Amino acid sequence: DAKTTQPTSMDCAEGRAANLPCNHSTISGNEYVYWYRQIHSQGPQYIIHGLKNNETNEMASLIITEDRKSSTLILPHATLRDTAVYYCIGVRGGSNYKLTFGKGTLLTVNP
Amino acid sequence: EAEVAQSPRYKITEKSQAVAFWCDPISGHATLYWYRQILGQGPELLVQFQDESVVDDSQLPKDRFSAERLKGVDSTLKIQPAELGDSAMYLCASSSQGLEQFFGPGTRLTVL
Repeated sequence: DAKTTQPTSMDCAEGRAANLPCNHSTISGNEYVYWYRQIHSQGPQYIIHGLKNNETNEMASLIITEDRKSSTLILPHATLRDTAVYYCIGVRGGSNYKLTFGKGTLLTVNP
Repeated sequence: EAEVAQSPRYKITEKSQAVAFWCDPISGHATLYWYRQILGQGPELLVQFQDESVVDDSQLPKDRFSAERLKGVDSTLKIQPAELGDSAMYLCASSSQGLEQFFGPGTRLTVL
């Protein structure tokens, strides 16, 4: 699975968009980019995933570069409840969808 | 909304004692995962079940850890004997057909 690189921490003002970057330069053609988040003292929560095309759901948008070497998770209007550790994970299709978590990015949303 | 259930939520034990954690996945989810999360790190997969069969236990310390899912529904993770380094959050997750994983609230283990 592709190694992903994320900043250790980021800050965002409440109500503003939060843009969380992820580098995955070694991603292979059949690897999906998955995003999960973990609020303090809770289990991780699925956010979104994509392969090549940009994706949007009720929680967030995922922008994947054309060369697939990086992606950005966008929370359009961050709230205090979005403060969490965000994990970007490469998942190979057909590999039992194993998740290999790194240390992720701690996003702190400030009032 | 269906959720993954885990018990107990917190467990304190002394080293060399046995400890067990229970997980009830979302109904109909054939795949069940156990993860361990040490403070400050991301979760690490310990074992993955497809129905009642183990499909990946490469990171499970088999000298002291065991996991079972006898009827392909709920699952138990056991540690015997517990060591100080086993203090961590133990997370259970389930999924359907390889789609997103749904995580339970976890069991926080403290070994004294």
